[in-house]
Amino acid sequence: SAVISQKPSRDICQRGTSLTIQCQVDSQVTMMFWYRQQPGQSLTLIATANQGSEATYESGFVIDKFPISRPNLTFSTLTVSNMSPEDSSIYLCSVAGGLNTEAFFGQGTRLTVV
Amino acid sequence: QQQVKQSPQSLIVQKGGISIINCAYENTAFDYFPWYQQFPGKGPALLIAIRPDVSEKKEGRFTISFNKSAKQFSLHIMDSQPGDSATYFCAASTHYKLSFGAGTTVTVRA
Repeated sequence: SAVISQKPSRDICQRGTSLTIQCQVDSQVTMMFWYRQQPGQSLTLIATANQGSEATYESGFVIDKFPISRPNLTFSTLTVSNMSPEDSSIYLCSVAGGLNTEAFFGQGTRLTVV
Repeated sequence: QQQVKQSPQSLIVQKGGISIINCAYENTAFDYFPWYQQFPGKGPALLIAIRPDVSEKKEGRFTISFNKSAKQFSLHIMDSQPGDSATYFCAASTHYKLSFGAGTTVTVRA
């Protein structure tokens, strides 16, 4: 299975600031996704990170709030912009494709906005 | 609109017992049905997954049963152990874009 490294693992941020989360995979993957898990809730897909082009966002999520980059087949970043306490969640990177026929998750980034 | 409905919300089982979690979906385009196990403070770990051309898949103590006509699938945890106490999520996807159920918190009593 793919080994996925997410950084940072957790952070406490001031409202109005931005945080960039990194996702690094140990092998080339076709698909990379970003999910949000609000406290005590299930996971919700934010967007598909497309290599070399703009991310594809799900309903309710916009590029200005969650800009995403994917410069190559093993790396992606998610930025949470102009944060408010409502953004306090776990943000998770998921990968699939390449040598992987399954979908795997990183350990997540636990974000608290104060 | 939740695309995958999961039940029960929580369950308690005795050590050695069987835990059963059920999920239902509507989108017939879904082609991949994984189950994830999540412990507090951790990311979801893939437990077992099935594709719609198979009716059952077993890996150790974990079995997925899949009913394509009923658009339902379930996870059976046999011989449940205290270490199985966690939250379990079913999911369904097209092209690995996952729609998750609400989750089931399983507690295994020793």
